[in-house]
Amino acid sequence: NAGVTQTPKFRILKIGQSMTLQCTQDMNHNYMYWYRQDPGMGLKLIYYSVGAGITDKGEVPNGYNVSRSTTEDFPLRLELAAPSQTSVYFCASSYPGEEGNTIYFGEGSWLTVV
Amino acid sequence: ELKVEQNPLFLSMQEGKNYTIYCNYSTTSDRLYWYRQDPGKSLESLFVLLSNGAVKQEGRLMASLDTKARLSTLHITAAVHDLSATYFCAVDNNNDMRFGAGTRLTVKP
Repeated sequence: NAGVTQTPKFRILKIGQSMTLQCTQDMNHNYMYWYRQDPGMGLKLIYYSVGAGITDKGEVPNGYNVSRSTTEDFPLRLELAAPSQTSVYFCASSYPGEEGNTIYFGEGSWLTVV
Repeated sequence: ELKVEQNPLFLSMQEGKNYTIYCNYSTTSDRLYWYRQDPGKSLESLFVLLSNGAVKQEGRLMASLDTKARLSTLHITAAVHDLSATYFCAVDNNNDMRFGAGTRLTVKP
């Protein structure tokens, strides 16, 4: 099982550049999320989606954009990268139900903005 | 605004000892989750607590939920080195899953 797959795993960006973090899941989960984790810190929700065509802002959406054209894919776009966006980014998915809403995480993408 | 607070943030303990990690939250949610993260790795689910009074146990870890107090605990019994990791609690706030800052646990021989 592939689960949640995100790419790239590592990336160095220059200030002002743009890039897209790709995320895909093969579990047919309707919910998908993007979190960032700064060194030694917890996770902050950037954006989430409850289904194709629907996205919502989380705690820290500024500087990011997302789209959800299919159930499987949830790319995260960084426009005009800034050093404050240096972080580890986790894509995740879930399928809320009677057994709760356990989130399944990807392996993470380490992004450095210099 | 929903707040999820864990304490302690850092915990160093000897093997064989017991300890409890606390997770307080500010909403009325009755769904709380515990995750484990090893250094440089992703998060993996440990426990799902879905109602007041829920208790789950797996090996040396036991999690409980008191929705009236808005408190969850993760109790460690007779700690072993393999439990060294960062533990996060997360609260389900109507599709907006919020995480605590994490408790970095180090178990020393």
